[in-house]
Amino acid sequence: DTEVTQTPKHLVMGMTNKKSLKCEQHMGHRAMYWYKQKAKKPPELMFVYSYEKLSINESVPSRFSPECPNSSLLNLHLHALQPEDSALYLCASSPLPTNEKLFFGSGTQLSVL
Amino acid sequence: EDKVVQSPLSLVVHEGDTVTLNCSYEVTNFRSLLWYKQEKKAPTFLFMLTSSGIEKKSGRLSSILDKKELFSILNITATQTGDSAVYLCPRNAGNNRKLIWGLGTSLAVNP
Repeated sequence: DTEVTQTPKHLVMGMTNKKSLKCEQHMGHRAMYWYKQKAKKPPELMFVYSYEKLSINESVPSRFSPECPNSSLLNLHLHALQPEDSALYLCASSPLPTNEKLFFGSGTQLSVL
Repeated sequence: EDKVVQSPLSLVVHEGDTVTLNCSYEVTNFRSLLWYKQEKKAPTFLFMLTSSGIEKKSGRLSSILDKKELFSILNITATQTGDSAVYLCPRNAGNNRKLIWGLGTSLAVNP
């Protein structure tokens, strides 16, 4: 299994909603990442979990809250988002936390109304 | 400023053509350079380059790194419409710092 699975694929939410994005990998990778990607831009790093501990937070607003329940799962909890947060949210994993050979999921296309 | 510059930003070719995509970077520590293909959603890993002059090859795709001149190229021979995508070449500076991404090259292969 060489896949990173993300759910849901699409999400529309209002600014007062609370929702969660989910990511799963079964490759035994020890690093997992959340990226945000706007149209025609490269992915922008949000968070890195290394051995299930948060190792990098790229100054992301607190309305985004990551969680790593175990080595295979990564969640991103969303609350009180703004319309400018609308984007493609990509999850990735890598064998080690060395930023090499990242495997990406297909992403969640998020629209905030 | 630590950055990755890709050129051209966009390219339109016909099936069967050969294309060369360029990626230049500034050296502030260097661990590896990666190539990804992004069609609609998930970027797909293509190559990881760490040493100069050693070509990586996978089917019609090949890539090479020049650490002296600070660039990499991605070659695609006998292009097919399925090669249409954005190609990204992030650089890994090591020390567990984040990847540095360029804007990508958008390739369109027309039948």
